Amino acid sequence: AQSVAQPEDQVNVAEGNPLTVKCTYSVSGNPYLFWYVQYPNRGLQFLLKYITGDNLVKGSYGFEAEFNKSQTSFHLKKPSALVSDSALYFCAVRGNSGGYQKVTFGTGTKLQVIP
Amino acid sequence: DAGVIQSPRHEVTEMGQEVTLRCKPISGHNSLFWYRQTMMRGLELLIYFNNNVPIDDSGMPEDRFSAKMPNASFSTLKIQPSEPRDSAVYFCASRGGGLSYNEQFFGPGTRLTVL
Repeated sequence: AQSVAQPEDQVNVAEGNPLTVKCTYSVSGNPYLFWYVQYPNRGLQFLLKYITGDNLVKGSYGFEAEFNKSQTSFHLKKPSALVSDSALYFCAVRGNSGGYQKVTFGTGTKLQVIP
Repeated sequence: DAGVIQSPRHEVTEMGQEVTLRCKPISGHNSLFWYRQTMMRGLELLIYFNNNVPIDDSGMPEDRFSAKMPNASFSTLKIQPSEPRDSAVYFCASRGGGLSYNEQFFGPGTRLTVL
């Protein structure tokens, strides 16, 4: 069975500092990987995805993520955090071996950017 | 495009009552998902429709829950009878393009409180 682990319930970072939100996954075969963000009282919004190719994926709002196959990780990064980045971040995975496979979401990491 | 539309946004009901949640996916999207989000269990997939046909309902908690998609522009999630443990935020999401690695677009959610 596929799974996603977000080991940190909360990440605190000072405004202007780089941020990292960690994600590791387990899936049969090669993965499709996603990051979503959820602001208070809103639905999830797509940030970026890895399908194949370049391991560094760039997404919305200056976010990027690096796919590391050997470490089965897909950490979300941003060079300089903004207060407005404070939100709940979800990593998600799906296998790409064909047929139906559901997308499995992690438990979420709350990012708090401190002014 | 207005995005995924859900109604009502908030629902407060008493235990034993029937609850119906509604969703209008993004026009042209052929996949629709119902999720439930709670603090304890995180984000859970309840049911997935493709081209109006239920493909995966393994996440539906029990017979009290049912979902329909009578056409490409409308879906309902019904709980009958409702119980306090059903209190959660219910999200509808849609996906287009026919590709399993396309991102999902989430609605704003319905916050259900069962007293």
